[in-house]
Amino acid sequence: GQQVMQIPQYQHVQEGEDFTTYCNSSTTLSNIQWYKQRPGGHPVFLIQLVKSGEVKKQKRLTFQFGEAKKNSSLHITATQTTDVGTYFCAGTNTDKLIFGTGTRLQVFP
Amino acid sequence: DTEVTQTPKHLVMGMTNKKSLKCEQHMGHRAMYWYKQKAKKPPELMFVYSYEKLSINESVPSRFSPECPNSSLLNLHLHALQPEDSALYLCASTSEGGALYGYTFGSGTRLTVV
Repeated sequence: GQQVMQIPQYQHVQEGEDFTTYCNSSTTLSNIQWYKQRPGGHPVFLIQLVKSGEVKKQKRLTFQFGEAKKNSSLHITATQTTDVGTYFCAGTNTDKLIFGTGTRLQVFP
Repeated sequence: DTEVTQTPKHLVMGMTNKKSLKCEQHMGHRAMYWYKQKAKKPPELMFVYSYEKLSINESVPSRFSPECPNSSLLNLHLHALQPEDSALYLCASTSEGGALYGYTFGSGTRLTVV
């Protein structure tokens, strides 16, 4: 079945450092979505990418969809303590949205 | 109203109990979902309702029984659960089915089976 893996599993950074999480699918995706889940919270939708090679920015966050539509990345510039949480990619090539394994980000002040 | 509301927020139940989880949205969304999330794991899809009809059942044990009384409500009936069913149960909705839109998640019900 479809699998979506993310690396790294955990990342600890000093506030102000950059952070990147990578998402890789075993199959070609129709689209990729990104979610953030704060500790003790629920997933919150950040963005969706649909086109091959697409790049989108939200303030300090940059999202990219690979040319082959099998991988994606999220890059955060100059992390802040409010960026703490688990970042999930989620993709589909059917009617089902499958979540990646997640990257847990810890930011030290 | 841009929220998905889930009740209760916390639930402790015995293995012989029957309980129900409730989910409500008033965004006019026509697809609703149940996900199960164990600690430090991603959400796992359980059920999908599209236009009030069950469209996907991810081979979930029959002790979990979903119900969609109308386009705004989604229930998950629980019966004879096992301790390994303890998890965060998340409800979500999208304007249409097909995983082409961002999901709006509720805050979840944290279930403990004793």
